Amino acid sequence: AQSVAQPEDQVNVAEGNPLTVKCTYSVSGNPYLFWYVQYPNRGLQFLLKYITGDNLVKGSYGFEAEFNKSQTSFHLKKPSALVSDSALYFCAVRGDGGATNKLIFGTGTLLAVQP
Amino acid sequence: DAGVTQSPTHLIKTRGQHVTLRCSPISGHKSVSWYQQVLGQGPQFIFQYYEKEERGRGNFPDRFSARQFPNYSSELNVNALLLGDSALYLCASSWFSLRDRAYQPQHFGDGTRLSIL
Repeated sequence: AQSVAQPEDQVNVAEGNPLTVKCTYSVSGNPYLFWYVQYPNRGLQFLLKYITGDNLVKGSYGFEAEFNKSQTSFHLKKPSALVSDSALYFCAVRGDGGATNKLIFGTGTLLAVQP
Repeated sequence: DAGVTQSPTHLIKTRGQHVTLRCSPISGHKSVSWYQQVLGQGPQFIFQYYEKEERGRGNFPDRFSARQFPNYSSELNVNALLLGDSALYLCASSWFSLRDRAYQPQHFGDGTRLSIL
């Protein structure tokens, strides 16, 4: 069965420092991986995806993610954090091998950026 | 362009009642999916509809049902409400790329906050 794990409930980082939010996955077949961000009382906003190709994926708002097949990881990164990046981040994998549009989400990581 | 719109934004019901939640997808998107997000957890997949047909169903009881209309809007219905149905219900729309032979990333609405008393 497809699944993702986000091992950290919360990540704290100072503004201007690099940030990493971790995600590991378990899939049968090729992974379709996504990162979404959720601000309080809002829906999820798409940040980036990995389908195939380059292991470093660039997304919205300066975020990028590194796909590592041997470690089955898809960590979200940003070179310089902003206070406005503080939010809940979800890693997701497309379930059912892509036959449907079903997304399986991790439990989320709360990112807190201190000024 | 308008994003995914959901109504109502908030709803309070009592146990045993039924509820209908509505979703309008982004123009041109023919796929609509529904998710349930319980406080402190990630969203859980409930249904996907594409071209008015059910294409996927999550592990939810038969009290949950949905449909998609000719204009691609969608309704989620929940009968015999339980306290555990209290959650944020999210709708997401997407389109299918024939070139990529894959659905494109889903765009989410802001959800309907359902509280069961």
